This record gives sequence, C-alpha cells and structure tokens, in this order.
Amino acid sequence: ETGVTQTPRHLVMGMTNKKSLKCEQHLGHNAMYWYKQSAKKPLELMFVYSLEERVENNSVPSRFSPECPNSSHLFLHLHTLQPEDSALYLCASSQNPRQGFEAFFGQGTRLTVV
Amino acid sequence: AQSVTQLDSQVPVFEEAPVELRCNYSSSVSVYLFWYVQYPNQGLQLLLKYLSGSTLVKGINGFEAEFNKSQTSFHLRKPSVHISDTAEYFCAVSDGVNTGGFKTIFGAGTRLFVKA
Repeated sequence: ETGVTQTPRHLVMGMTNKKSLKCEQHLGHNAMYWYKQSAKKPLELMFVYSLEERVENNSVPSRFSPECPNSSHLFLHLHTLQPEDSALYLCASSQNPRQGFEAFFGQGTRLTVV
Repeated sequence: AQSVTQLDSQVPVFEEAPVELRCNYSSSVSVYLFWYVQYPNQGLQLLLKYLSGSTLVKGINGFEAEFNKSQTSFHLRKPSVHISDTAEYFCAVSDGVNTGGFKTIFGAGTRLFVKA
C-alpha cells in the first residue's frame, strides 16, 4: 500500500470514447502529478498541481484534461484519444518539493486505445 | 535545462554478484537526486535520495549511491544482488530552487536482470 491509489488499473477505450482516470492520496501531501510512461521512453511529466492549483503543464494535447478538486484527489479526463496515447499513466504526490520531498507513486492505469 | 542519462538500458548480472547502475545528470543549479525502482505492473518506489551533506547515501534493500559533483554522476550500487532485485531502476533529478522542485526529470531507466 503506497498511500496513492489509482483507478482503474486497466482501461481499454475506443478513439471516440470519453473516460476518466482517478487518483487519490491519503498521505496529506499538497502536490499531485500525472506522468505518462511509454515503452522505451523516459517518464513524461504531464501535469502538476500544488495546493489544487495547476503549476505545470508540459505541452500536453488538449485531449487530456486534468482536474484537481481538492488536495487528495486528481483526475485525468480523456477524450478522442489516439492509439499512440496507449501507455501506463502514473499518478504521484509529494510534500513540499522545495525541500526535496520525494514523490510517492500509485500503481498506474494501463491504458490501451483501440 | 536539466537532463538525466542512464548509460545502460539493460544490466544482466548473476545472483550474489555486485552491480553498479550508472546515472549522469546535467543542471546549472543545485539539485536533488533520486533513485526509484519499478517492479512489473507497479508504480515507482523510492530507493534513496540525495539532498545535501554526505555524498554517500544509503537506501533500502541494501542499495547505496554516491553523489559526485565534479563528474555530475549519481551511480547506484549494491554489493550482492538477489533474484528479487530484478526490476527497472530510474534515476531522477529535481531542481529545488528555480522550479520549486516540481519539475522532476527521470532517466530512461535501466533494466536489472539478476540470473541464478
């Protein structure tokens, strides 16, 4: 149990579908992150929220839409995805990163776009 | 801009042998350095981190890493590996100053494969 829970663990969706990934952290952290992990590529930081405010958006296509309603929950809304969006999507949270606090990761959602 | 290079994509090693996984980084400012491990179908788990102070950092599962500022390296070592150490290992660097630490950059990963 890492304290960061992601649902669902696996998701298969068509290119015209709309779905959402959910992340919940029970660690009292104030920053949450979405990463994309594709085969043979480094982890890509997609979005960062600090105290529920988005502080980083790394040129992610608009078909990915994050939402952070409170410091414990983070969503990634998906619509009209492409097959190349198939990947493992990892959520993470951390305490104050300025002090070097490390990120705690969830187990990920394995997304397959067909 | 920061970057992280993990010099080996795969490292095969026999059980009970020592291992070193190499990591080099580039950054114009002071950084925090991390090693994470990822087991199949799991998220990343922190092995160890360097923030400041002693350049030799000890982590979980018998791993340690040494920060070398002049060589901008943060290599991970273990004196005797077990089958259970088979996993993907990621080196990461975080700029705690300019971007508030939010921009943690990960290397491409090194697959450690321990053989019996």
